[in-house]
Amino acid sequence: DVKVTQSSRYLVKRTGEKVFLECVQDMDHENMFWYRQDPGLGLRLIYFSYDVKMKEKGDIPEGYSVSREKKERFSLILESASTNQTSMYLCATLLGTGGGYTFGSGTRLTVV
Amino acid sequence: GENVEQHPSTLSVQEGDSAVIKCTYSDSASNYFPWYKQELGKRPQLIIDIRSNVGEKKDQRIAVTLNKTAKHFSLHITETQPEDSAVYFCAAHNFNKFYFGSGTKLNVKP
Repeated sequence: DVKVTQSSRYLVKRTGEKVFLECVQDMDHENMFWYRQDPGLGLRLIYFSYDVKMKEKGDIPEGYSVSREKKERFSLILESASTNQTSMYLCATLLGTGGGYTFGSGTRLTVV
Repeated sequence: GENVEQHPSTLSVQEGDSAVIKCTYSDSASNYFPWYKQELGKRPQLIIDIRSNVGEKKDQRIAVTLNKTAKHFSLHITETQPEDSAVYFCAAHNFNKFYFGSGTKLNVKP
């Protein structure tokens, strides 16, 4: 089974702080994704990556950036955290040949 | 881009009854439709999926149907049990991205 690990389960940060959310996978999945999950809005794609050093904007990239220096690690960066970025953040991976996602356990971020 | 709509947002059924969750999509290029189950406090898990060249797929008490012409697909759970209580998400795969529905909270009453 693919394991997708998100470094923090719960995180509380102050407005204006720079926040790093880490996602690490232990299989050779090419594709990695960051979503945020909000009640009534489902999962919304922030950024994704098909390969090392490659990144593409999703549907709601504003206020976020990403980094993929190694195949197994995909980082989400909140440049200057704001209260409207309080959310559950989910990392997901996908094998290049298809199939469904494997999700990480999520990071619940609260910005105060 | 693709737009996926999911209904109902909440569904309450008696144990043993059937539950049906429906999704529609907008882009006929979408070709793969997975369903995820997310229990409280846990990550979404893939429970069943269907590809655009198939009309129906079944796995024990769970089935998914796809109508490509109408651009809708549905999740059917028969003989529901309390452990089926969770949030269910549908998704459509389009140009290497997934687009998710807003989720259905299913409550199975014992």
